[in-house]
Amino acid sequence: EAGVTQSPTHLIKTRGQQVTLRCSPISGHTSVYWYQQALGLGLQFLLWYDEGEERNRGNFPPRFSGRQFPNYSSELNVNALELEDSALYLCASSPSHLRDIQYFGAGTRLSVL
Amino acid sequence: QKEVEQNSGPLSVPEGAIASLNCTYSDRGSQSFFWYRQYSGKSPELIMSIYSNGDKEDGRFTAQLNKASQYVSLLIRDSQPSDSATYLCAVNMGVTGANSKLTFGKGITLSVRP
Repeated sequence: EAGVTQSPTHLIKTRGQQVTLRCSPISGHTSVYWYQQALGLGLQFLLWYDEGEERNRGNFPPRFSGRQFPNYSSELNVNALELEDSALYLCASSPSHLRDIQYFGAGTRLSVL
Repeated sequence: QKEVEQNSGPLSVPEGAIASLNCTYSDRGSQSFFWYRQYSGKSPELIMSIYSNGDKEDGRFTAQLNKASQYVSLLIRDSQPSDSATYLCAVNMGVTGANSKLTFGKGITLSVRP
């Protein structure tokens, strides 16, 4: 069974640009979570999507947004990139009956120059 | 601000020893607790979950939870060099099913010396 897949693996952008990250959950999982892991800051919760709806949001500015598609895959969009957005972005998925149990993808490493 | 705190590392133990990793959390109403292992350059991997006070054992791993003290720990018995990784404590500080949100500690790096 395939795990959580994320693309791309690495991205290099410049300040002010926009970026879209993609995530495909484990088959049968309906919830998708996005986290930011910046150096020295640990894993920070960004967004939770379930059944196509945004269910919860972390303490991030509105330029961080996303959506979930009918097949439960998800996109994370970051507008007006800033240097401090450089981080590993991790996507996790969980089944609807066990939302606590989250399985992570390998992540997208974003570098903002 | 709801927080999860892990004792500062890194932690170094000899092969075969018991490694003890500790975590405290601020939200007294938290109900579910997790330990993730993250190898360098890799994504976090769930290794233990615990929901009730007391101990939960899985192979060489034992998770311990004390809700009154707002404390959760992970013991690794017979530590192996392959256990060398960063261990992340995570707590669900939302209402499970309605507001599910994991809050992670910053992690502690464990090094097991051969």
